Amino acid sequence: GESVGLHLPTLSVQEGDNSIINCAYSNSASDYFIWYKQESGKGPQFIIDIRSNMDKRQGQRVTVLLNKTVKHLSLQIAATQPGDSAVYFCAEILNSGNTPLVFGKGTRLSVIA
Amino acid sequence: DSGVTQTPKHLITATGQRVTLRCSPRSGDLSVYWYQQSLDQGLQFLIQYYNGEERAKGNILERFSAQQFPDLHSELNLSSLELGDSALYFCASSPRAWVEETQYFGPGTRLLVL
Repeated sequence: GESVGLHLPTLSVQEGDNSIINCAYSNSASDYFIWYKQESGKGPQFIIDIRSNMDKRQGQRVTVLLNKTVKHLSLQIAATQPGDSAVYFCAEILNSGNTPLVFGKGTRLSVIA
Repeated sequence: DSGVTQTPKHLITATGQRVTLRCSPRSGDLSVYWYQQSLDQGLQFLIQYYNGEERAKGNILERFSAQQFPDLHSELNLSSLELGDSALYFCASSPRAWVEETQYFGPGTRLLVL
């Protein structure tokens, strides 16, 4: 079953290629950012996070880049696989504390085998 | 499998009715968060409980309420349901109170109000 809305931006990528998913966040005072992956019929799953004092952070096959000047976050997935097909959300936290996660609208990644 | 369980998986009810959604956090996690995911609003934070006490409140309607019990499971009560309440409702858990901790999401409850 579907997990999210029908009107998400969609990125189609050939299997084996690299994917770049972008996110414009809303608040220049946000200091912590997270990428989540949501597969069809499942809840969001943590992928990687980054603090505002960093520009780049790498995980396994994933890299997050943060550009605070233009309030832009990107998620790069190397060697995209069919299992990467999902909706990807960025989330931000304002001034690390008791403020809740604010999620972006999401991007649907479709991997073409 | 995140270790967070939610019941029921699906719920169909009528306008004006009241429903209760249940969440069991991961073993050892003290915080439970509730989120609503609808087609037009995306994922919206509703409320957080930590060790039985309300910790943070988001865009939760007055018709909605939640609680966390001594065994740390949580329930979200939705009353006087309207068509617009149809959505996926997720709970998430984390070890302590800080929102920066990784939140582990359950599989969700899909609510359909007819």
